[in-house]
Amino acid sequence: SAVISQKPSRDICQRGTSLTIQCQVDSQVTMMFWYRQQPGQSLTLIATANQGSEATYESGFVIDKFPISRPNLTFSTLTVSNMSPEDSSIYLCSVEDLGKTHNEQFFGPGTRLTVL
Amino acid sequence: AQKVTQAQTEISVVEKEDVTLDCVYETRDTTYYLFWYKQPPSGELVFLIRRNSFDEQNEISGRYSWNFQKSTSSFNFTITASQVVDSAVYFCALSAEGANNLFFGTGTRLTVIP
Repeated sequence: SAVISQKPSRDICQRGTSLTIQCQVDSQVTMMFWYRQQPGQSLTLIATANQGSEATYESGFVIDKFPISRPNLTFSTLTVSNMSPEDSSIYLCSVEDLGKTHNEQFFGPGTRLTVL
Repeated sequence: AQKVTQAQTEISVVEKEDVTLDCVYETRDTTYYLFWYKQPPSGELVFLIRRNSFDEQNEISGRYSWNFQKSTSSFNFTITASQVVDSAVYFCALSAEGANNLFFGTGTRLTVIP
């Protein structure tokens, strides 16, 4: 399976600031996704990062709050904008290569965000 | 609509005991996929297994086994001879054919006591 890394692994941020999280894959993949895991909760899909076009957001998530970039097939960023304590979560990047492992998503190590 | 229910919030067992984690799902799709992931205290999500809806054969991988029962919409996960390293949160998930979204259950926290 692909090796996925995320930066930063964790951060503590002040309310009102923004943080950009990077996701790097060691091989080209078809699909990249961003999930949020609030404390003690399950995972919720934020959006699908589309290469060369705007991300596809799930209900309850908007581009102004969570802008996403995907400039190529191995890299994506998620920005958490104008943060509040409610944004404290683990943010996980996942990938799926439709040509190889259909419907199998592999996850990065996550970014643990705390907003004060 | 897709839904995954993991009724067991937390389970504690003593090392070497067997333990079964329950997963019940709901979907209207005829083709779908079921997954189990492990999330150890370090936080990363480790893929354990994927099952498609047409394959009801049970699977065994070392100490892990999975029982897929379409008739009861369940995909249960059994760990035999549990070890302390099995302590983690285990998530069951569901996705439909052609869909990107993985629907996760709320997870079961397993603690294996030495």
